[in-house]
Amino acid sequence: QKEVEQDPGPLSVPEGAIVSLNCTYSNSAFQYFMWYRQYSRKGPELLMYTYSSGNKEDGRFTAQVDKSSKYISLFIRDSQPSDSATYLCAMSASFGNEKLTFGTGTRLTIIP
Amino acid sequence: SAVISQKPSRDICQRGTSLTIQCQVDSQVTMMFWYRQQPGQSLTLIATANQGSEATYESGFVIDKFPISRPNLTFSTLTVSNMSPEDSSIYLCSVATTNYGYTFGSGTRLTVV
Repeated sequence: QKEVEQDPGPLSVPEGAIVSLNCTYSNSAFQYFMWYRQYSRKGPELLMYTYSSGNKEDGRFTAQVDKSSKYISLFIRDSQPSDSATYLCAMSASFGNEKLTFGTGTRLTIIP
Repeated sequence: SAVISQKPSRDICQRGTSLTIQCQVDSQVTMMFWYRQQPGQSLTLIATANQGSEATYESGFVIDKFPISRPNLTFSTLTVSNMSPEDSSIYLCSVATTNYGYTFGSGTRLTVV
């Protein structure tokens, strides 16, 4: 069993829809949870990170962490064609001083 | 956050040869990581490179195949040695800081023919 599981998709939704991306994990030591966006032929860029359980909102993006269920989500509201990318969840036990463990990534396409 | 310059951005190499990828950071960082990303796949960690110590390799990766140098706090190289077509992939460097978390370079797209 992988430490982090993520539905690889692909996922296609119409413009303006709400997108839900999810990851599950097995390592209870994970405390920091990140979402990266990767456009084609680019390196991953950090969208959001969350510490422990709870919600965090940044514009159209909301990250949720439920440590009791070992489940994290990223919601994208009012999705735009520019949101079309691969989204990777990543997590670690500490922030900035150990390696990240990544999900497999979900390829998202927003249809105009 | 840290800004990373990774070179080359892409290369096409003959099998049996070696390629060295460079990663330059605009600030001093302790932890640097090298990843491989095969087409349509997620990131696989090759090794962690901390300045002043030997790189730590993940299972399935060995120093003879992927030697790493980390001469100072702003620079690292990864060499892909004795390449075969199976080494065709995107190679990414990443740095970690406790202030800004993890930042990635734009990657090196390697094709081995």
